[in-house]
Amino acid sequence: EIVLTQSPGSLSLSPGERATLSCRASQSVSGNYLAWYLQRPGQAPRLLIYGASNRATGIPDRFSGSGSGTDFTLTISRLEPEDFAVYYCQQYVSSPALTFGGGTKVEIK
Amino acid sequence: QVQLVESGGGVVQPGRSLRLSCEVSGFPFINYAMHWVRQAPGKGLEWMAVIAYDGKNKNYADSVKGRFTISRDNSKNTLLLQMDSLRPEDTALYFCARSTAYYRAWFDAWGQGTLVTVSS
Repeated sequence: EIVLTQSPGSLSLSPGERATLSCRASQSVSGNYLAWYLQRPGQAPRLLIYGASNRATGIPDRFSGSGSGTDFTLTISRLEPEDFAVYYCQQYVSSPALTFGGGTKVEIK
Repeated sequence: QVQLVESGGGVVQPGRSLRLSCEVSGFPFINYAMHWVRQAPGKGLEWMAVIAYDGKNKNYADSVKGRFTISRDNSKNTLLLQMDSLRPEDTALYFCARSTAYYRAWFDAWGQGTLVTVSS
């Protein structure tokens, strides 16, 4: 099973600032089979990025994904109020044993 | 619009059973593989099970293999999860989610979840 470790566990930033979230895999995620989700309190997760760098339908371009191998990054260029939430990465190369990272909480400073 | 609505959650004693449903609308159900993903209170996401578009292939996380059964009724646009021999550690919010692929799947639509509490 591929273990995903997200860092930091939480991040305190102000609206308008840049957020950089990390997702590290215990073994190579070949094919860049990695997705990112956002989960607001009391809501279901929402797909942001798939294939490490492809934005899902309707996702604004302030969200971008990058990385390969074992190291992946989600960047939010300028935080909007609705972006304060928990973010999860998910690998889908080791299928069907899909796994998620533990999450990064982005909080308002 | 795309909608996935879970139901069937509740409080159940350890060792008992519960059946969850996920009714979908707004998209061709038969075109998608379907999954169950759960989230224990205050915790992260855990993938549970997948079923192929036609119901012929299924797979489970080790933590529920042999206790949970995923199924679907394409005539009713409904996904099901039969949960037997429930344990306190199965307490969680259970989401249904869709993917375009059975293998190597990411989830592009989710329901709002149904809460299962296993407690005596």
